[in-house]
Amino acid sequence: DTGVSQDPRHKITKRGQNVTFRCDPISEHNRLYWYRQTLGQGPEFLTYFQNEAQLEKSRLLSDRFSAERPKGSFSTLEIQRTEQGDSAMYLCASSLGTSGGLKYNEQFFGPGTRLTVL
Amino acid sequence: GESVGLHLPTLSVQEGDNSIINCAYSNSASDYFIWYKQESGKGPQFIIDIRSNMDKRQGQRVTVLLNKTVKHLSLQIAATQPGDSAVYFCAENIEGYSTLTFGKGTMLLVSP
Repeated sequence: DTGVSQDPRHKITKRGQNVTFRCDPISEHNRLYWYRQTLGQGPEFLTYFQNEAQLEKSRLLSDRFSAERPKGSFSTLEIQRTEQGDSAMYLCASSLGTSGGLKYNEQFFGPGTRLTVL
Repeated sequence: GESVGLHLPTLSVQEGDNSIINCAYSNSASDYFIWYKQESGKGPQFIIDIRSNMDKRQGQRVTVLLNKTVKHLSLQIAATQPGDSAVYFCAENIEGYSTLTFGKGTMLLVSP
């Protein structure tokens, strides 16, 4: 399977614990995105990377959230001191970036990690 | 699987009917639009896209129409099949920005 993969698919944690999610993008894609989706809503942008550089962060990304992409391949999203309001689906997507003069490029989504904070 | 469609606008159709799903976008500066399909427990899947210099684009069984005057986007699915049952989202993008802004979804239910 050469699509975007995410691990774990489901995570249940107690309030106050730290959690870390992993995303493996499509191998030739240099852009990687994190989104959060709550029930009944569309995905909301959190942050994105161009290779290993984190280029944009949403105001939704509080200081308890940190994302890394150390080698420009896989990425991790960590949530510290989880709160019940953090319960959501965390989606990762990747895209080629603006190679070849393309201004736009399709974002391919992974299956998501469903976080439940008790 | 889990439902991502609770409390969403719902369109119920019979198999073989044509379906039209509508979306109002918010930013007049948006110049690229995408329709995604999301099945229960899965991430969004690309269906079709359109750029602002076009008003219609066709794919296999799907057509997207763009009306920039009223900031409206629609997705038409011909000969709807039970496998089309999912939540459909439109997303908008602005040139120079990499992020997508998603609209509210519509749940499509197709009865055999």
